[in-house]
Amino acid sequence: SAVISQKPSRDICQRGTSLTIQCQVDSQVTMMFWYRQQPGQSLTLIATANQGSEATYESGFVIDKFPISRPNLTFSTLTVSNMSPEDSSIYLCSAGARAYEQYFGPGTRLTVT
Amino acid sequence: DAKTTQPPSMDCAEGRAANLPCNHSTISGNEYVYWYRQIHSQGPQYIIHGLKNNETNEMASLIITEDRKSSTLILPHATLRDTAVYYCIVRVAHPGAGSYQLTFGKGTKLSVIP
Repeated sequence: SAVISQKPSRDICQRGTSLTIQCQVDSQVTMMFWYRQQPGQSLTLIATANQGSEATYESGFVIDKFPISRPNLTFSTLTVSNMSPEDSSIYLCSAGARAYEQYFGPGTRLTVT
Repeated sequence: DAKTTQPPSMDCAEGRAANLPCNHSTISGNEYVYWYRQIHSQGPQYIIHGLKNNETNEMASLIITEDRKSSTLILPHATLRDTAVYYCIVRVAHPGAGSYQLTFGKGTKLSVIP
C-alpha cells in the first residue's frame, strides 16, 4: 500500500491569489492524479500528473488555471491560479502503482473569499 | 468506461449485513468492477474489485451476476464506521498508455444505524 500526505490540509484564500498544494507519496508510484470535489458532489478528475512531462488535463480543466508539476515518482504539486469563489472545493491527490488499486490523500479543503 | 447506476442512499442496522447494489448493464468483457468508499472528510478508499468471479477480502465480498450486468458489495457485519459513500466504478484494468484514472459517479450513501 501507499501512504499519501497533502499540504496544506486546508486554507482560506482571497480572490485573485494562487495556492499550491503539495502531494507526497511514501513510495515510488507509476501514476499520480489530481481530483476536485465540490461541496456535496462526487470527485472529478482534473489531470494526470506525468513524471518528467506536462500533465494530461481532462475536459474543462486547463494548464493556465491548474498548473501541475511532478518532478519525481513520489511528489507532485497542483496550483490553483487566480482563484475565485467557484474554486472552493476539496482537492485530492491519488497515486497508484497498480491499475486496480489507488490510494488517496486526505484532501486539501480550499475556501476562496 | 461503462456507466453505473447505484441507489442514492441506504440504511443498514449495525451488526447486520449491508448489501449495496450496482447496475452496469453496458459493461464490456474486459472491464472490471471496482468499489471504493469515502468516509466523511477523508479521501476515497479502495475496497475490492472483480471481473466475473465472486471475490472476498478482509473488508467485503463482491458478488457479480453471471451476465455481469450487475453486482453487489456485501459488508458482512456493518459497523458505525462503515457509514460512508460507496462508489461502484467500471473500467478496464489495462486501458493502454498506462492511465489508471477513476471516474466517480454519485455513489450510494450508506448510513449504519445503531
